[in-house]
Amino acid sequence: DQQVKQNSPSLSVQEGRISILNCDYTNSMFDYFLWYKKYPAEGPTFLISISSIKDKNEDGRFTVFLNKSAKHLSLHIVPSQPGDSAVYFCAASDPGGKLIFGQGTELSVKP
Amino acid sequence: NAGVTQTPKFQVLKTGQSMTLQCAQDMNHEYMSWYRQDPGMGLRLIHYSVGAGITDQGEVPNGYNVSRSTTEDFPLRLLSAAPSQTSVYFCASSYLVNGGDSPLHFGNGTRLTVT
Repeated sequence: DQQVKQNSPSLSVQEGRISILNCDYTNSMFDYFLWYKKYPAEGPTFLISISSIKDKNEDGRFTVFLNKSAKHLSLHIVPSQPGDSAVYFCAASDPGGKLIFGQGTELSVKP
Repeated sequence: NAGVTQTPKFQVLKTGQSMTLQCAQDMNHEYMSWYRQDPGMGLRLIHYSVGAGITDQGEVPNGYNVSRSTTEDFPLRLLSAAPSQTSVYFCASSYLVNGGDSPLHFGNGTRLTVT
């Protein structure tokens, strides 16, 4: 059973507009949630995280929102840029330290 | 600063062959892990280690062995390769065990094909 799910395999957005990537989880014991970005032929790189005790965290153009009652988080990128085109992975950490990833969403930002 | 180094970058094996994927980090990280990435499946945790001498299973451990004799190295062994193990393998490390406080640093991956 997939504990972390990203139901949209791909997303296409115009440059300058908002990109919204979504993620759902099932395990209420997860205590941190993270987003990673991955370019082809490279390893994933950390983007932003949020603790389960918060509902929002911002870092520049990137904001992550957490809705614990719905077991849902989202990543907002405003404004989107062509260099943001990549695969985005949502991940959740349990107290034992395991980091479980979703399937990924491929974002394409068109000039 | 090299970070997380994986070797080899590419490998082709025949069914039944064995091999070891190497992973080394120079950041003095306690936590290390191996993931495999497959289309539509995302990144799945194979094995992880919270320190030298300690290893544990992740989501998909079958067919793989690991050991952690030093803080720096965390090799992944395939004892008898199968076509289902064709994948891209990523090694990752972090300073703390808890992934939220201490995000993972990933290597650039090993692309393995088993024929």
